[in-house]
Amino acid sequence: AQKVTQAQTEISVVEKEDVTLDCVYETRDTTYYLFWYKQPPSGELVFLIRRNSFDEQNEISGRYSWNFQKSTSSFNFTITASQVVDSAVYFCALSEYTGNQFYFGTGTSLTVIP
Amino acid sequence: SQTIHQWPATLVQPVGSPLSLECTVEGTSNPNLYWYRQAAGRGLQLLFYSVGIGQISSEVPQNLSASRPQDRQFILSSKKLLLSDSGFYLCAWSSLRGAEYNEQFFGPGTRLTVL
Repeated sequence: AQKVTQAQTEISVVEKEDVTLDCVYETRDTTYYLFWYKQPPSGELVFLIRRNSFDEQNEISGRYSWNFQKSTSSFNFTITASQVVDSAVYFCALSEYTGNQFYFGTGTSLTVIP
Repeated sequence: SQTIHQWPATLVQPVGSPLSLECTVEGTSNPNLYWYRQAAGRGLQLLFYSVGIGQISSEVPQNLSASRPQDRQFILSSKKLLLSDSGFYLCAWSSLRGAEYNEQFFGPGTRLTVL
């Protein structure tokens, strides 16, 4: 069965600190996709990144970076030098190869304190 | 570019009343369409998805139904709302990129309160 676990329910950091959001997944598929979404207070989910199971290269986009490790079934997200605008709920998700179903974690609420 | 619309943005309905939430996508054809509900605990629950007109898959047996009368239109309905139907309803779409489905893109959501 597919499952995504985000063990951190809430995290608070002071502005400019680095923060890592954890994501652990379970799947029996050999081909799958992993995603991170951001949900600001407005409610709309904003797509951040998509990773396919064959690509374990870490990715960096500005202050955001992602560490995908198949050996530990983890896809962690790091925000460097956090800013108040980073305050949001962040969701990790997994989809099967067909892409018909997404399995979301329960989200991590990040608060960046000025 | 593609855009996704949902309406209404907010809705307050009495228990036992009907419901109709609409979602439309522009700028793409033959998308997969999805309805999610997000309750107060933040988790996203997939309610329905559709891979084509008239094709609906239900993930959770409940008081709700979905229809896809047109390629880019997805409707969530209920004949009689329950208190437990309160929540934030999100519509999403995805499409094929080559042989792969890409990420899901979400609409702005409808916040439903059942009193």
